Amino acid sequence: AQSVTQPDIHITVSEGASLELRCNYSYGATPYLFWYVQSPGQGLQLLLKYFSGDTLVQGIKGFEAEFKRSQSSFNLRKPSVHWSDAAEYFCAVGGNYGQNFVFGPGTRLSVLP
Amino acid sequence: DTEVTQTPKHLVMGMTNKKSLKCEQHMGHRAMYWYKQKAKKPPELMFVYSYEKLSINESVPSRFSPECPNSSLLNLHLHALQPEDSALYLCASRKPGDGLNYGYTFGSGTRLTVV
Repeated sequence: AQSVTQPDIHITVSEGASLELRCNYSYGATPYLFWYVQSPGQGLQLLLKYFSGDTLVQGIKGFEAEFKRSQSSFNLRKPSVHWSDAAEYFCAVGGNYGQNFVFGPGTRLSVLP
Repeated sequence: DTEVTQTPKHLVMGMTNKKSLKCEQHMGHRAMYWYKQKAKKPPELMFVYSYEKLSINESVPSRFSPECPNSSLLNLHLHALQPEDSALYLCASRKPGDGLNYGYTFGSGTRLTVV
């Protein structure tokens, strides 16, 4: 069965610093990979997604992610973090059908002024 | 319109009450979902509707009753809930079978408190 791990429960970075959030997945076929962000008390917003092709994916709000098949990873990066990026970040994996969509446990990002 | 709209945003109900959550989208998505999210946890799938038919029920207690009256609307009827059912309830939709645009659009959720 597919699964997603996010090794970091909570990360704190200073505003303006670079960020990398880790995501590792287990999936038997070609995965569809996603990163979502959730601000407190809000729904989930899609940051970016990967299906195939270029392994470096650009998303909204200046985020990017790199798919590495050999490491089963899909890490999220941002070169310079803004205070408004403080939120919960979820990595997710799915296949062609919605019933196989699985979220990781999430990483909470705190940003220091 | 690229949104999923959920109402109400907040709901407080007693354990003997009957209430309903509503979810609406006008993107032509024919798959709609209910998720439950407890604090500091990822969303957990409850129900999936595909072309207005219930296709997945993740062993959800019968005090939660979903309904999909048309392709734009999804309801979740609540009855005799327990305090542990307090959570953020998220609705999502997607366009099934569209591999090029595979991705869920989530609503902002309904924050439910059972007292």
